[in-house]
Amino acid sequence: DSGVTQTPKHLITATGQRVTLRCSPRSGDLSVYWYQQSLDQGLQFLIHYYNGEERAKGNILERFSAQQFPDLHSELNLSSLELGDSALYFCASTSGRGQETQYFGPGTRLLVL
Amino acid sequence: QKEVEQDPGPLSVPEGAIVSLNCTYSNSAFQYFMWYRQYSRKGPELLMYTYSSGNKEDGRFTAQVDKSSKYISLFIRDSQPSDSATYLCAMGVNYKLTFGKGTLLTVNP
Repeated sequence: DSGVTQTPKHLITATGQRVTLRCSPRSGDLSVYWYQQSLDQGLQFLIHYYNGEERAKGNILERFSAQQFPDLHSELNLSSLELGDSALYFCASTSGRGQETQYFGPGTRLLVL
Repeated sequence: QKEVEQDPGPLSVPEGAIVSLNCTYSNSAFQYFMWYRQYSRKGPELLMYTYSSGNKEDGRFTAQVDKSSKYISLFIRDSQPSDSATYLCAMGVNYKLTFGKGTLLTVNP
């Protein structure tokens, strides 16, 4: 158990809909990273937050947005969903004080029908 | 050319074999190198982490980095069925990690 929690574990929804994925980092960690993992693209970095502020963006679509709240949990919002958005979404956390190991949560499996 | 290339396998070996997993990269700015193991339907977990060229050993696992050739390897000695998983290489600069697509390894009893 990495100490990172993600909810829900599974999500099934329809095209055009909007969903919110939630991540709670390890106790004391200030940084949260979001990744998308699909069979053809592998693990793709989406976005990084540190102590409530966006620090870096990766291959994140404009239909996707994220935020980190004062209690350090983070949410990833996916809107106008398409079939191709079906994937595993992981968050990872670090203390944020340096180039550290990222501890991954168990992921949310999203299926868009 | 992709930043990180990793042979997806699959790789199937008998129990006790030595396994070699490899990645190449094109971005010479990468500062640190990692190997993650991912079991089916689980999150990746860190196996090895190194900054410099050379070898780093941890139990049955050895990570090797050759910055001049832009090549990293993970060796697993005395492989066990419990090592069956997908192995992901990852390379970092500043706060960003770039992952290989992963190699699926099966160790047969």
